[in-house]
Order: sequence, then C-alpha cells, then structure tokens
Amino acid sequence: GQNIDQPTEMTATEGAIVQINCTYQTSGFNGLFWYQQHAGEAPTFLSYNVLDGLEEKGRFSSFLSRSKGYSYLLLKELQMKDSASYLCAVKDDYKLSFGAGTTVTVRA
Amino acid sequence: DGGITQSPKYLFRKEGQNVTLSCEQNLNHDAMYWYRQDPGQGLRLIYYSQIVNDFQKGDIAEGYSVSREKKESFPLTVTSAQKNPTAFYLCASSIGFRQNKNIQYFGAGTRLSVL
Repeated sequence: GQNIDQPTEMTATEGAIVQINCTYQTSGFNGLFWYQQHAGEAPTFLSYNVLDGLEEKGRFSSFLSRSKGYSYLLLKELQMKDSASYLCAVKDDYKLSFGAGTTVTVRA
Repeated sequence: DGGITQSPKYLFRKEGQNVTLSCEQNLNHDAMYWYRQDPGQGLRLIYYSQIVNDFQKGDIAEGYSVSREKKESFPLTVTSAQKNPTAFYLCASSIGFRQNKNIQYFGAGTRLSVL
C-alpha cells in the first residue's frame, strides 16, 4: 500500500521562505513529484526527484532522501500568488499516489 | 494550443442517472488517467490507460466506466452504481510508461454534483 503524509496547512509572510515536508511509505518507488494547485484549478507540475539530493528551479527547490522516505519542497521569496495547495506524489511503475496536499497561505 | 480539455466544467446528476465526463488531449500522449478529488483528501486514481484500446482499474474504479477508442479521448462515465459521486474530477495525460519521468499534465477539471 501507499502512505504519503504532508502537513495540512502552513502560513507564511510575503518574502519569507516556507518548507513543506512529505514523508512516504510505498510499495514501490520510481520518483517523487511536487504539484501546485490553486483552488478550483488543475494541478501544475513543479518538480521531479528520483535520485537523492536537491533540485533547484528558480524560487522553488525540492529535496529527496530515499533511505528516509522523505522529501521537501522549499519556496523562497514568497509571493501572494504562491498561495495554493502543494501536492506530493510518489510514482511506482505506472501510477502516481498523492498525499492530501498542503495549503499554503501567504500573508502581506 | 496544446493541452487537455475537460468538459463540462460543471455537471449535475439526477438520482439513478449515468453521466459522462469528456477528456480530450492534443499532446500526442499515449497514457491517460482519471482522478477524483474530495476535500481534505489526495487525488485518487479511478482508471488509467497506457495505450489505445487498453485501460486498467485504479484504486476506486467501482461505479465508474471508461473507454479508450481513440488516442486523444478518454471519457469517464459515472454510473448510477456510484453512490457518492459528488467530487472534482481531473483528467491527466502523459507521454507514456516508456519514459521514466512520465510527467502527468492535468485538465481544468469537472465539478460533479448530485441534484
């Protein structure tokens, strides 16, 4: 089975940094994805990690430790438009299994 | 403009009625997926298809049916057997399982409610 945990909500101030953690216990592992989803909209792809380490893409970075079953998404220089839900998803051979998502609220 | 189109955006189902949600993609992707999203829960996989004329049940297939007669299209029927159909339904597509990364791209979703 798949068990993917992430915090339900986080709040941060504009310009700050927020780290969203994701822990997983899955029967197979073939990569970990982060998606951003604004309310009522489609999830959009942010990042992909399959090897241990940090992947940086502009203001967003994602880290993976396969031995610990752990990943985080780091959002730097927060902007109001970053207020959204962030979904952690683990891929086995064919399918993605999603966590419940973390709702990030950015305050002025 | 390449992408995934879901229609309708909002759909209402009467008791005992079957309804069909449309999903079309022009990305030339082999694989397509249907997910259901409920408040406070992660996306749950209903059905997926790796190639035309083939599809597999996901984690919550009961009460749903699909077809994949064309590469571009993967319609989902919510049957009367699905007793709690109210949810946000998302369709996705990806290049296919031959590619390890196989990023899934999502449509804008259909919000289904019961009258």
